[in-house]
Amino acid sequence: QSALTQPPSASGSPGQSVTISCTGSNSDVGGYNYVSWYQQHPGKAPKLMIYEVTKRPSGVPDRFSGSKSGNTASLTVSGLQAEDEADYYCSSYAVSNPLVFGGGTKLTVL
Amino acid sequence: QVQLQESGPGLVKPSETLSLTCTVSGYSISSGSYWGWIRQPPGKGLEWIGSIYHSGRTYNNPSLKSRVTMSVDTSKNQFSLKLSSVTAADTAFYYCASASGNYLGSLDSWGQGTLVTVSS
Repeated sequence: QSALTQPPSASGSPGQSVTISCTGSNSDVGGYNYVSWYQQHPGKAPKLMIYEVTKRPSGVPDRFSGSKSGNTASLTVSGLQAEDEADYYCSSYAVSNPLVFGGGTKLTVL
Repeated sequence: QVQLQESGPGLVKPSETLSLTCTVSGYSISSGSYWGWIRQPPGKGLEWIGSIYHSGRTYNNPSLKSRVTMSVDTSKNQFSLKLSSVTAADTAFYYCASASGNYLGSLDSWGQGTLVTVSS
């Protein structure tokens, strides 16, 4: 059982927006601004898309954005494209463990 | 641009020690950054194993800490992982990664991963 809870799946049509949630507690997501989001295509290594809740690494399209409210962090993908279909994982610093991951969300572009 | 490449045996026997090395190019390990190991059982999610700072200080997942040893070899620009007393549950893709910022969990460069199977 993962420390952070993500929905197993999410979907949207091309051009639409989709939001993936990541729920933790005051001891991780809610207590620290060290939430990251990773994109993983089949057979590939994860890729950092968002770090420190809202920051985008160089080269990541601005269609990807991150936010946090209380103990829940969110990744929003705007203007969905076929290439966005992938697994997405959140992670956070936690009091009990310096780095914990969510269980992952499979994003399908319809 | 930092590039990372894992290497090591793809098959390890139960109760033995899994040993992997990550070779870094495009950046000197001794210059900074956190250097980490993450694993992913086939078809499952990600699990952080641990990270080592360029100074040699280590950070561990409490659930694996008793079995994990990490080290850095600055002369070869490599860092390594040893996981002892492996079982079938340790079968996974193992990734090395680096975090260039101030938090070890913002992993901005990754190796391609290597599958390690634990079986007799």
